Amino acid sequence: QKEVEQDPGPLSVPEGAIVSLNCTYSNSAFQYFMWYRQYSRKGPELLMYTYSSGNKEDGRFTAQVDKSSKYISLFIRDSQPSDSATYLCAMSAGTGANNLFFGTGTRLTVIP
Amino acid sequence: ETGVTQSPTHLIKTRGQQVTLRCSSQSGHNTVSWYQQALGQGPQFIFQYYREEENGRGNFPPRFSGLQFPNYSSELNVNALELDDSALYLCASSPDRAYGYTFGSGTRLTVV
Repeated sequence: QKEVEQDPGPLSVPEGAIVSLNCTYSNSAFQYFMWYRQYSRKGPELLMYTYSSGNKEDGRFTAQVDKSSKYISLFIRDSQPSDSATYLCAMSAGTGANNLFFGTGTRLTVIP
Repeated sequence: ETGVTQSPTHLIKTRGQQVTLRCSSQSGHNTVSWYQQALGQGPQFIFQYYREEENGRGNFPPRFSGLQFPNYSSELNVNALELDDSALYLCASSPDRAYGYTFGSGTRLTVV
């Protein structure tokens, strides 16, 4: 079993839709949770960073963490064609090397 | 524009050869991590360097090695290349092992 599971999609939505992206994980030691956006031929770009459980909002993006269910989500409101990219969840236990464990990424296309 | 620069952007090598990939981090970022991203997968942690010392290693064989230099640059060396080493190699830097990792655009390595 992978430590982080993410539906690879692809996911296609019309412009303006609300997008929900999710990851589950198995390691209860994970405390730090991140969402990265990766455009084609580019490196991942940090979108959201959350420590422990709870919600965090930044503009059109909302990240949710439910540690009891080992489940994290990213919501994108009023989706735009420029949001078309691969979205990667990542998490870490926050000890030692602080290495990140990534999901496989969900490829999102927002159709104008 | 990312503050992390990787070179070269693309590289083709023959099985059994050796390769060196380079990364130039932002000034003040004394932590650098290297990740391997196979096609359609999330990045996998190779190792991390903190203040020029290895600070953690993922599940990669010893033929993957690295160096970090005082000028915030670093190298990833891979010996005895195998076909499965074909991937996007990402460098990520941060100040003092914090979570604000900035990723470079990566080096696309193809082993034939």
